[in-house]
Amino acid sequence: DVKVTQSSRYLVKRTGEKVFLECVQDMDHENMFWYRQDPGLGLRLIYFSYDVKMKEKGDIPEGYSVSREKKERFSLILESASTNQTSMYLCASSPPIGMGNEQFFGPGTRLTVL
Amino acid sequence: DAKTTQPPSMDCAEGRAANLPCNHSTISGNEYVYWYRQIHSQGPQYIIHGLKNNETNEMASLIITEDRKSSTLILPHATLRDTAVYYCIVRVAAGGFKTIFGAGTRLFVKA
Repeated sequence: DVKVTQSSRYLVKRTGEKVFLECVQDMDHENMFWYRQDPGLGLRLIYFSYDVKMKEKGDIPEGYSVSREKKERFSLILESASTNQTSMYLCASSPPIGMGNEQFFGPGTRLTVL
Repeated sequence: DAKTTQPPSMDCAEGRAANLPCNHSTISGNEYVYWYRQIHSQGPQYIIHGLKNNETNEMASLIITEDRKSSTLILPHATLRDTAVYYCIVRVAAGGFKTIFGAGTRLFVKA
């Protein structure tokens, strides 16, 4: 089974802190994604990556950056955390184009910024 | 990607079939219908997808109308553990990058 793991289930940070959220997948997937999920807004795509060192902005990239130095790892970085970044963060991966394309999600990280 | 419309919530008795509808009247010829579900406090889980033929796997069946403007996800024998939010998504398979999750349908399976 595909496994997507995220570094923390719960995280509490202070305003202005730099925050790193780590995601690792073990199925050699090319594509990886970061979403945030908020009540009433559903899942919104922040960034995605379709290869090592490649990244593309999603719908709400402001205030975030990403890093993909290795194929299995995709990191989301909050350069200076703010209270409006309190949310559930979900990482996902998917196989290459033409191979199903279903996304496999991690368990999520619930981030609270005080 | 085409927009989908789902009822906000549904109830189902345990052991009965749960039929979750989805309207996607603006679907394009190359767009697939995907279903995911999200159990409370977990990440979304892929269930099934299809283009125009009906599909079945170990989790569910997907019925797509002939004009492809709507579909139904069927859980044949719902259990309490099937209580979740179910998302119907329409997108091109080759795109894959911007899977747009709407509000979904909150299914309550009751004993």
